[in-house]
Amino acid sequence: GAGVSQTPSNKVTEKGKYVELRCDPISGHTALYWYRQSLGQGPEFLIYFQGTGAADDSGLPNDRFFAVRPEGSVSTLKIQRTERGDSAVYLCASSSQENTEAFFGQGTRLTVV
Amino acid sequence: GNSVTQMEGPVTLSEEAFLTINCTYTATGYPSLFWYVQYPGEGLQLLLKATKADDKGSNKGFEATYRKETTSFHLEKGSVQVSDSAVYFCALRTGGFKTIFGAGTRLFVKA
Repeated sequence: GAGVSQTPSNKVTEKGKYVELRCDPISGHTALYWYRQSLGQGPEFLIYFQGTGAADDSGLPNDRFFAVRPEGSVSTLKIQRTERGDSAVYLCASSSQENTEAFFGQGTRLTVV
Repeated sequence: GNSVTQMEGPVTLSEEAFLTINCTYTATGYPSLFWYVQYPGEGLQLLLKATKADDKGSNKGFEATYRKETTSFHLEKGSVQVSDSAVYFCALRTGGFKTIFGAGTRLFVKA
């Protein structure tokens, strides 16, 4: 597709379960970003990839959160032992280079019950 | 640390009214400044940007001027339309990639 694709669009999981959120960036974009948006707030930076490597993961809230991008394209955000406070919309964005416009996907709405 | 503060919403206007959404920032160095828009059911989109002091970003009738002396980047539009109803986010970026967003301002435009 032409834009950033995120799947699933909605995910409901039970407290304590493991979830994976997928992001397909725009083809050819080397930079990929994950953000988390809580209700009534702006997006909060989680992690940034340049190619396959995480260039900055300082926004990950704790070690339950992990992200990978093994082939420099698709990325997966993984959350272990989910907690109710993890409920939010998780946004992915990509850009062709570090300093160019980032294009956002529509997000995955995660609800932990 | 770096931060963005924008006026709380919701803002409700009648069609053709003048719009101002205030945004101020705190940053070390010389950030680039952005306004993003999120229409209902859609992803975040870049609306406009300015990369240095006194630059004016503009798009779709919206404009904002990078004011270093007041650390502000207020969004304005002379005549809003119902289709402008959305959530607007002010944001800054330093060091190349990490973008910091404000909390967002919801705009409702009534016909």
